[in-house]
Amino acid sequence: DAKTTQPPSMDCAEGRAANLPCNHSTISGNEYVYWYRQIHSQGPQYIIHGLKNNETNEMASLIITEDRKSSTLILPHATLRDTAVYYCIVRVVGSSNTGKLIFGQGTTLQVKP
Amino acid sequence: GAVVSQHPSRVICKSGTSVKIECRSLDFQATTMFWYRQFPKQSLMLMATSNEGSKATYEQGVEKDKFLINHASLTLSTLTVTSAHPEDSSFYICSAKLSPNSPLHFGNGTRLTVT
Repeated sequence: DAKTTQPPSMDCAEGRAANLPCNHSTISGNEYVYWYRQIHSQGPQYIIHGLKNNETNEMASLIITEDRKSSTLILPHATLRDTAVYYCIVRVVGSSNTGKLIFGQGTTLQVKP
Repeated sequence: GAVVSQHPSRVICKSGTSVKIECRSLDFQATTMFWYRQFPKQSLMLMATSNEGSKATYEQGVEKDKFLINHASLTLSTLTVTSAHPEDSSFYICSAKLSPNSPLHFGNGTRLTVT
């Protein structure tokens, strides 16, 4: 699976949009981009994933560049409860794949009042 | 709501003893589950892939005789840390998928402290 690069930390003001970048320049055509977050002392929480189209759900939006070499996770109105480590992971999806996720170091997002 | 449940959430044991951690898929069958370990201020590290009805697949550097994995049913995988030592103290997390193409869902982890 392709490797990802994320900034180690970011700050965001409460109520503002949090934009978390991720570089995955070696991504393959059949690899999806997944985002998870981990709040302190809890298991990771799935946020969103996509292949090449932008995606939106109740938690966030995922913007993937046309060349698919980078993406941005957008939390539209960050709250203090969004303070967490955010992980961007790329992997192949399909029954032939075991489905395991390999985590990088992620981005620690600190939402400030 | 939670789709993967882990038990216990915290456990303290003495050095040399064994500890069993359970991971259950709630309301779905999981032929494959994954076990991770996380040390303080570090990322999650994949330990092994647990396969129902067959042997687990361990990642490089993970001792299979120390970390025994049993996946005897479609809803339960167990991780047993044998002859635990203080350096085994860590946060252990399991995960499973609802279907082959669905995202992985994680349990809330088990904090193991070996004294």
